[in-house]
Amino acid sequence: EAGVTQFPSHSVIEKGQTVTLRCDPISGHDNLYWYRRVMGKEIKFLLHFVKESKQDESGMPNNRFLAERTGGTYSTLKVQPAELEDSGVYFCASSQADTPKQYFGPGTRLTVT
Amino acid sequence: AQSVTQPDIHITVSEGASLELRCNYSYGATPYLFWYVQSPGQGLQLLLKYFSGDTLVQGIKGFEAEFKRSQSSFNLRKPSVHWSDAAEYFCAVGAVSGGYNKLIFGAGTRLAVHP
Repeated sequence: EAGVTQFPSHSVIEKGQTVTLRCDPISGHDNLYWYRRVMGKEIKFLLHFVKESKQDESGMPNNRFLAERTGGTYSTLKVQPAELEDSGVYFCASSQADTPKQYFGPGTRLTVT
Repeated sequence: AQSVTQPDIHITVSEGASLELRCNYSYGATPYLFWYVQSPGQGLQLLLKYFSGDTLVQGIKGFEAEFKRSQSSFNLRKPSVHWSDAAEYFCAVGAVSGGYNKLIFGAGTRLAVHP
């Protein structure tokens, strides 16, 4: 069984540019989560999808961040325009319905210069 | 508010020595508790989890953790550390959000292993 995959593994962009991160969850997992770790701090929750619906987006930092999960399969997280403080590692995780056990992807390291 | 505290940012042990990584949580109900490990260049890997039942849980790679409700702790232990255990370790609590669970993480403990 393939695990959670994320693309790209690393992205370097300039302040003001746009970046789109992609996450492919484990097949059949209805729950998909985005997390972020900034500057060696704790990993923080961004949002949670159940299939294609946003269940909880309380962790999204501001309206420069837009997450989608069309068709309930893969998800994208767009940052537009990117700011320096958006640099960090963005993790995606997925889980089956009604279980708290989450499987994490390898993360995307975003560097905004 | 729900939170997780990992008091030790960095720990260094000698290979073969025992290890204990501390984790304290604040949560209003019975928590779901997790330990994850991130090796250099890798993603987060689940070491072990506690949902209910026996408070001493066994995980992969020879790790174990004990849930102590009275102390709000979930410390991770290993009797003999191997050089390959050098990594960053994260304690997390599963917080119910609309019937599902988001994870609240501690800041992580970076483990270095001396030969």
